[in-house]
Amino acid sequence: KAGVTQTPRYLIKTRGQQVTLSCSPISGHRSVSWYQQTPGQGLQFLFEYFSETQRNKGNFPGRFSGRQFSNSRSEMNVSTLELGDSALYLCASSGTPLGGGEKLFFGSGTQLSVL
Amino acid sequence: GENVEQHPSTLSVQEGDSAVIKCTYSDSASNYFPWYKQELGKGPQLIIDIRSNVGEKKDQRIAVTLNKTAKHFSLHITETQPEDSAVYFCAPTSGGTSYGKLTFGQGTILTVHP
Repeated sequence: KAGVTQTPRYLIKTRGQQVTLSCSPISGHRSVSWYQQTPGQGLQFLFEYFSETQRNKGNFPGRFSGRQFSNSRSEMNVSTLELGDSALYLCASSGTPLGGGEKLFFGSGTQLSVL
Repeated sequence: GENVEQHPSTLSVQEGDSAVIKCTYSDSASNYFPWYKQELGKGPQLIIDIRSNVGEKKDQRIAVTLNKTAKHFSLHITETQPEDSAVYFCAPTSGGTSYGKLTFGQGTILTVHP
């Protein structure tokens, strides 16, 4: 069974630009969550999508948005990039709450650098 | 929201020694207690978990113990090996529709010296 796939692996952008990150969950998983990881703040929850609907949202500004497609693939977008957005962005998928939904499977992440 | 604290923040042991990492949480509704391991260049990986109706769970060299009254749970690694070197995170949760929304501890950097 293929794991969670995130693309691209590395990304370099400049301030003010926008960026879109992609996540393909494990086949059959319907929930996709996104996390931001930085040395200073650690792992912070961004949002979670389940069956194309945003189910939970973290405390991030509106510049951070996401969506989920009918095949459960998800994208997150960051507009008007700031230097502080430099981080590792991790995607995790899980099964339905009725079976194994609590176990998150993470991808290797997208390392975003904002210059 | 959930307040989660991990101790210690760094832990250095000799190969073969035991390592213990403690996680303290604030939300009394928490009922699922996982530990994740993150190796360099990879995302976190679930290594062991426990539910609130169980006090201890063991899987080969790793174990998790839970004290719901005191609101803490611990990761125990015995006979440590160099490949155990990584960052370990706890992420207690109350579950339901919040399973995807985890509050992680700040992480413990474990270094196992050969």
